[in-house]
Amino acid sequence: GDSVTQMEGPVTLSEEAFLTINCTYTATGYPSLFWYVQYPGEGLQLLLKATKADDKGSNKGFEATYRKETTSFHLEKGSVQVSDSAVYFCALSDPENAGNMLTFGGGTRLMVKP
Amino acid sequence: SQTIHQWPATLVQPVGSPLSLECTVEGTSNPNLYWYRQAAGRGLQLLFYSVGIGQISSEVPQNLSASRPQDRQFILSSKKLLLSDSGFYLCAWSLLNQPQHFGDGTRLSIL
Repeated sequence: GDSVTQMEGPVTLSEEAFLTINCTYTATGYPSLFWYVQYPGEGLQLLLKATKADDKGSNKGFEATYRKETTSFHLEKGSVQVSDSAVYFCALSDPENAGNMLTFGGGTRLMVKP
Repeated sequence: SQTIHQWPATLVQPVGSPLSLECTVEGTSNPNLYWYRQAAGRGLQLLFYSVGIGQISSEVPQNLSASRPQDRQFILSSKKLLLSDSGFYLCAWSLLNQPQHFGDGTRLSIL
């Protein structure tokens, strides 16, 4: 079945540092890929998405590129802020699935220190 | 625009008591609806999903049930709560081949 693996946290960075959170996936079809962010005590918010190979999703300074050859969708940001501290989830959706269900990675906690 | 509402935001219940969590979506029709549970410091576990009124699929055997009495209403229930039912419950909606959108969650503590 489908699966998503992301690096374990917590990831601790200083403000303005470069961020990479690795995400790799296993899927039988051609999934859509997502990054969600969860701020403390809140639900998940869609951060960015990519629906086909070589697509780059971007939002709020975050970027991720759909790499079919390496089955990866790594999240990057050039300069993190304290307000980026949150848990980040990588997820995939199989378009063949009528229920449009998501397969999530385990989440990566990011802590940014001033 | 579409919005999703979950309530209550927090709930403290004794072991053995019943549960009813409600989720409603506005601004769209015939959405897929989902219930997830997130244990403390853990990832998300899909509990139920629904592709239409009265259609419920359960992903894991458990002490909980779900119902969809109206197109945009999704209810999570239990007749008798267990300590292991504690967690953060999230409702989500989506349209076909579109991303899921999540509510703000309900934090459930069982005493």
